[in-house]
Amino acid sequence: KQEVTQIPAALSVPEGENLVLNCSFTDSAIYNLQWFRQDPGKGLTSLLLIQSSQREQTSGRLNASLDKSSGRSTLYIAASQPGDSATYLCAVEGVWDNAGNMLTFGGGTRLMVKP
Amino acid sequence: DTGVSQNPRHKITKRGQNVTFRCDPISEHNRLYWYRQTLGQGPEFLTYFQNEAQLEKSRLLSDRFSAERPKGSFSTLEIQRTEQGDSAMYLCASSFTGGSGELFFGEGSRLTVL
Repeated sequence: KQEVTQIPAALSVPEGENLVLNCSFTDSAIYNLQWFRQDPGKGLTSLLLIQSSQREQTSGRLNASLDKSSGRSTLYIAASQPGDSATYLCAVEGVWDNAGNMLTFGGGTRLMVKP
Repeated sequence: DTGVSQNPRHKITKRGQNVTFRCDPISEHNRLYWYRQTLGQGPEFLTYFQNEAQLEKSRLLSDRFSAERPKGSFSTLEIQRTEQGDSAMYLCASSFTGGSGELFFGEGSRLTVL
């Protein structure tokens, strides 16, 4: 059974810092890995999707990398801003899950960027 | 394209009552998913439809949970005889066959069972 772990569970940084969020998964047989943002009491917003054949994806100040063989992904946020404060979730679509594009999620990293 | 829409956004009910949530996916998406998220945790997969067919339902939490997608468009998730442990956010997502695999989520329906 696929398990996804995110470290740290919570992070508080001053504005302007570059930061790295970590995600690990136990089964490397995945189709893709996705990073989402979730604001309190809200749904999930897709940030980046990395296919299993890719090593990284970039969107603005966000960069996500994938090392499928070691079961790891990182989300790099450059020049953090208070508006980046949210929970960041990582999720994988497993080859063996056999339910469409079903995702297995980590527990999230709760980020607070202080002005 | 208005995105995935969920109603109601918040439901407060007494233990033992039945509740129903509705999800309207993105119009061209044929796949629809229900997830449950409890406080401080990541979403947990419940069930999946492709068009009107429910192709995976073994992960529904108990036989009190059921879902339908009668015409392959909107879906409903019903919880019968609610319990306090059912209090959670219920999230709906959609995607389409042959796409990138990206899931698009709605804003969720929060259930509070008193």
